[in-house]
Amino acid sequence: DVKVTQSSRYLVKRTGEKVFLECVQDMDHENMFWYRQDPGLGLRLIYFSYDVKMKEKGDIPEGYSVSREKKERFSLILESASTNQTSMYLCASSGQGWGGYTFGSGTRLTVV
Amino acid sequence: DQQVKQNSPSLSVQEGRISILNCDYTNSMFDYFLWYKKYPAEGPTFLISISSIKDKNEDGRFTVFLNKSAKHLSLHIVPSQPGDSAVYFCAADTGTASKLTFGTGTRLQVTL
Repeated sequence: DVKVTQSSRYLVKRTGEKVFLECVQDMDHENMFWYRQDPGLGLRLIYFSYDVKMKEKGDIPEGYSVSREKKERFSLILESASTNQTSMYLCASSGQGWGGYTFGSGTRLTVV
Repeated sequence: DQQVKQNSPSLSVQEGRISILNCDYTNSMFDYFLWYKKYPAEGPTFLISISSIKDKNEDGRFTVFLNKSAKHLSLHIVPSQPGDSAVYFCAADTGTASKLTFGTGTRLQVTL
């Protein structure tokens, strides 16, 4: 089974801190994604990547950046955390063709 | 601009009865649709999908119906079980196997 691992389940950070959320997948998938989930808003795409060193903006990229130096790892960076970035962050990966996404368990980030 | 909409934020159904979750979309380029199920503190898991060349797909207790002319799909669960209590997201893709657009989710509660 494909496994997508997010490094932290819960994080509490202070406003203004730089925050790194890490995601690793073990099935050699080309595509990786970062979403955030908020009540009433569903899952919204932040950034995605189709290949190493490639990145594309999703629907809500403001305040975020990403890094994909290795195929298996996709990092989400909050340059200066703000309280409106308190959310559940979900990483996903998919291979070529249609197989849908496999999601990680999520990181619940609280910015105080 | 919400391209995939789930207008019912919550639904309560008795055990053994049918659960019907609805989803509407606006983008006529969408041609592949999926349903994901999410438990608290876990990532979404794939449930069932349907291609636009079909109007129905069945997998055990789960059936997805697609009405392309109405830009509407629905997920039927019968019989509903307490373990089905979760948040259900519908998602759509333009067939490029690239990125999914998710709805806002419907919280299903199956009562005894």
